[in-house]
Amino acid sequence: NAGVTQTPKFQVLKTGQSMTLQCAQDMNHEYMSWYRQDPGMGLRLIHYSVGAGITDQGEVPNGYNVSRSTTEDFPLRLLSAAPSQTSVYFCASSYVASGEQETQYFGPGTRLLVL
Amino acid sequence: AQKITQTQPGMFVQEKEAVTLDCTYDTSDQSYGLFWYKQPSSGEMIFLIYQGSYDEQNATEGRYSLNFQKARKSANLVISASQLGDSAMYFCAMREDKFGNEKLTFGTGTRLTIIP
Repeated sequence: NAGVTQTPKFQVLKTGQSMTLQCAQDMNHEYMSWYRQDPGMGLRLIHYSVGAGITDQGEVPNGYNVSRSTTEDFPLRLLSAAPSQTSVYFCASSYVASGEQETQYFGPGTRLLVL
Repeated sequence: AQKITQTQPGMFVQEKEAVTLDCTYDTSDQSYGLFWYKQPSSGEMIFLIYQGSYDEQNATEGRYSLNFQKARKSANLVISASQLGDSAMYFCAMREDKFGNEKLTFGTGTRLTIIP
């Protein structure tokens, strides 16, 4: 059981380039989400998904795209990278189960630098 | 409007002392959940403790306890007998209970440094 995995761990992009941050979980969790973390700020929600084929926007969705074709995978696409997207990106997953303690399981993060 | 407020950007605490990290929240929902996460210098987010709004007793997990005061809308984290390994950033987060909503809103964090 690997939990939540993210690739790559580090990435440097030039302005205007596109790329995909990968996220996978092997816990059969319904809910997956992407957050970004900037200095002096907590994590902010970019996009989330409540199940395969269903996605929605979070607090800071501009410049990012997501899709959820399987329960396991939830990739985040940067369409045209900008320096403002320099950040640490976290993927998280959880399940909705009444009567049980809840938590969100976070991946190790991807550090992205856009020059 | 800011929903989670952590007013202590940084704290220094002597090893073995207890420490309280403050967190206040704002919501109009009756049902919600409160979380605390630890982020060490290595960067990963580590879940510490969870409190549901309907839980009558304060949550505890080992050396961590959550001092939940619903009327004051506060959810302070208490770490007993602090250790050097507790030095990290600590984030308070809230999930508002709506169907299919597992979205967390985070505070800006408190950097805790344990002094030997």
